[in-house]
Amino acid sequence: EVQLVESGGGLVKPGGSLRLSCATSGFIFSNYKLNWVRQAPGKGLEWVAYISFSGRDMYYADSVKGRFTISRDNGGNSLYLQMNSLRAEDTAVYYCARVKIETDTDAFEIWGRGTTVTISS
Amino acid sequence: DIQVTQSPSSLSASVGDRVTITCRASQGISNGLSWYQQKLGQAPTLLIYAASSLQSGVSSRFSGSGSGRDFTLTISSLLPDDVATYYCLQDYAAPYTFGQGTKLEIQ
Repeated sequence: EVQLVESGGGLVKPGGSLRLSCATSGFIFSNYKLNWVRQAPGKGLEWVAYISFSGRDMYYADSVKGRFTISRDNGGNSLYLQMNSLRAEDTAVYYCARVKIETDTDAFEIWGRGTTVTISS
Repeated sequence: DIQVTQSPSSLSASVGDRVTITCRASQGISNGLSWYQQKLGQAPTLLIYAASSLQSGVSSRFSGSGSGRDFTLTISSLLPDDVATYYCLQDYAAPYTFGQGTKLEIQ
């Protein structure tokens, strides 16, 4: 069974740091592009970051560029999001999402259940 | 960056109704649009990819159409289980962008 399980969320003060992890199983990890998506309380979905198969290519939303870093460990089947200089507006549920292959588009086929990040003093 | 405008923001319909949600991209994105359903308290799930391809396991009551800038998600016959918020995503090029969401309720 394909699974993505996020962890690492919690309560952090503004200006602090947090590292999210997404542990995966049930598929060949290195064959898939991956993303982080977040959802602030009561709000819509916001794409955060993308990483290619090898980890060489990464893209970020303007709202997190320069503060967040996406990375992956293809040997350990895990995806990460290092979040620095955290702000109140970063408060959200963070999801990892696997991109669908067998197509020329990048639909987010499989999602984890999410981990909650709260930024508050 | 490509912007996506989704409408309506909310929708109330009756069981059995045909429901349509639209997304418009700020520039042409070929077929690079997907649709997601998010039920309360759950993660989103993929319904439609490449604008019109039905994801495996998804009811055939859901269909997608469009290309270029204008896209549509249609639910052919509404069921109570369809109560959810629906999002489009332009996955043509990063930075990817979601529509604002459509909250669907049953009358």
